[in-house]
Amino acid sequence: AQTVTQSQPEMSVQEAETVTLSCTYDTSESDYYLFWYKQPPSRQMILVIRQEAYKQQNATENRFSVNFQKAAKSFSLKISDSQLGDAAMYFCAYRSAGRDDKIIFGKGTRLHILP
Amino acid sequence: KAGVTQTPRYLIKTRGQQVTLSCSPISGHRSVSWYQQTPGQGLQFLFEYFSETQRNKGNFPGRFSGRQFSNSRSEMNVSTLELGDSALYLCASSPKDYGYTFGSGTRLTVV
Repeated sequence: AQTVTQSQPEMSVQEAETVTLSCTYDTSESDYYLFWYKQPPSRQMILVIRQEAYKQQNATENRFSVNFQKAAKSFSLKISDSQLGDAAMYFCAYRSAGRDDKIIFGKGTRLHILP
Repeated sequence: KAGVTQTPRYLIKTRGQQVTLSCSPISGHRSVSWYQQTPGQGLQFLFEYFSETQRNKGNFPGRFSGRQFSNSRSEMNVSTLELGDSALYLCASSPKDYGYTFGSGTRLTVV
């Protein structure tokens, strides 16, 4: 079975600085998707960034980028120029590209932004 | 384009009662999934429906059930509520090969 591990329960970063959230996963599949979701206090889960396993190029969305290391099964999220609005719970997630559409989430990392 | 709509947003129930939660997916999305979120267990998968058929089920007791209608709207039902069922219940819809779009959730409190 696939698993997703986020080893950092909480992190803090100074406003305007850069922070990296770690995520590792375990799977025997070769084709899958990886995601980072953000859940602010409003509790709405928001898709931040998406990576397709067969694409070697790391995904980027404005200030958010990932470092996808397929062989190491690592998928970290880098937030550049951190803003107060980035404060939230961040979840790393895995989804098989096969018929099984279930998404498996990590336990999350709570990110604090220090003004 | 309307997002995923969950109703109600908040619910308080008594132990032993049953509850039904509703989810309307984004138009055109045929897959609807349900998750339970608690501080201790995180996000746990309940079940997934596609074209009115349950395709996946998580490790929850039979008290948790769901269904999907022909218009893709989905309901989940929890019978004989227990205190431990207090949680945020999230619904998500998805086109194929993409991430979920989540609703705002239903906060269920069992007293």
